[in-house]
Amino acid sequence: ETGVTQTPRHLVMGMTNKKSLKCEQHLGHNAMYWYKQSAKKPLELMFVYSLEERVENNSVPSRFSPECPNSSHLFLHLHTLQPEDSALYLCASSQGLNEKLFFGSGTQLSVL
Amino acid sequence: GESVGLHLPTLSVQEGDNSIINCAYSNSASDYFIWYKQESGKGPQFIIDIRSNMDKRQGQRVTVLLNKTVKHLSLQIAATQPGDSAVYFCAENNNDMRFGAGTRLTVKP
Repeated sequence: ETGVTQTPRHLVMGMTNKKSLKCEQHLGHNAMYWYKQSAKKPLELMFVYSLEERVENNSVPSRFSPECPNSSHLFLHLHTLQPEDSALYLCASSQGLNEKLFFGSGTQLSVL
Repeated sequence: GESVGLHLPTLSVQEGDNSIINCAYSNSASDYFIWYKQESGKGPQFIIDIRSNMDKRQGQRVTVLLNKTVKHLSLQIAATQPGDSAVYFCAENNNDMRFGAGTRLTVKP
């Protein structure tokens, strides 16, 4: 285990649904990240939090809304997604910003 | 724009042989590089890293080589085993971490 736990592992949702992805890290790290992984494309950084403050938002559509209530938990709230949003969503943490990342196993999201 | 890329999308090797996975980067200001391994159904897992003040670093059965002159990074795996079959990503850091598309390594028994 990497010390980063993501739930759920799989999620199927309709375009009008609202759902949330959850990430928890047990490593005492100060930074947490959301990445999107699509087939045959590099990992895309979505959001970065450092000490619970958002430090980066890479032009992600507003239908994705992150939340970091404390340094151990990170959420990604999903609302009115599109089929092209179907992907593996990975959470990661690191001791400091842009240090080596520890990833969770991801949530495989399918938008119908 | 700047990008991290891989020379080959797939690599197939015989069990016991050495594997070499290559990565090209274009941002000469990048100062930290990492190799990750991603097995099916799992997230990427850290393998080894190297800073720009070094040109070689060794781990257990893995070696990373950095050639800053030609902006090239490689991962060498000695005595490749079936458990090494996975997708391997390089990542470069220059204020943020950027990943390559990945190389799929297949180990034939």
